[in-house]
Amino acid sequence: KAGVTQTPRYLIKTRGQQVTLSCSPISGHRSVSWYQQTPGQGLQFLFEYFSETQRNKGNFPGRFSGRQFSNSRSEMNVSTLELGDSALYLCASSPGEADTSEQFFGPGTRLTVL
Amino acid sequence: TQLLEQSPQFLSIQEGENLTVYCNSSSVFSSLQWYRQEPGEGPVLLVTVVTGGEVKKLKRLTFQFGDARKDSSLHITAAQTGDTGLYLCAGWGYALNFGKGTSLLVTP
Repeated sequence: KAGVTQTPRYLIKTRGQQVTLSCSPISGHRSVSWYQQTPGQGLQFLFEYFSETQRNKGNFPGRFSGRQFSNSRSEMNVSTLELGDSALYLCASSPGEADTSEQFFGPGTRLTVL
Repeated sequence: TQLLEQSPQFLSIQEGENLTVYCNSSSVFSSLQWYRQEPGEGPVLLVTVVTGGEVKKLKRLTFQFGDARKDSSLHITAAQTGDTGLYLCAGWGYALNFGKGTSLLVTP
């Protein structure tokens, strides 16, 4: 089975711009979660989508949004970028049936905001 | 949010040494997971511990879940350079909460 893929792998934007990141989960996985990873805060949960519906949301401002398509692929969008949004954005998929499911992570998108 | 504190934050040792990293919380978790993340990659699950007092072994890695299900430890015997990476513990609340990790460097 192919693993979780994320595109693009690297992205450079300037303050005030917006960005869209994409994630393709493992085939058959219906849950997709997004995390932000920074040296200072570690891995922080952004949101989770299951069957096209947002099931959980972390403590991030409304500038961070996401969606999931019928084929389980997911996108996240960050509007009005700030310097502090520079981070590694990780997507993870799981079958979604139990809350102790293993999360399968993609390699991440490295976002740099100048 | 249920906080997970990991210690030490950084660890640099030589091949062949033993080490233990810790994951502590004031909250009770139904299960804890340990992941390893290598540079340029996402975290990969090593183990899930579910029962208080449980000990699981994965080759040279030994994982223990505290009796009260609030803490866990990871012990590596005879570390190898391939063990280098960021070790993360994580517990399920309404979402998967991660500690900030222990960055391990094993040198020849």
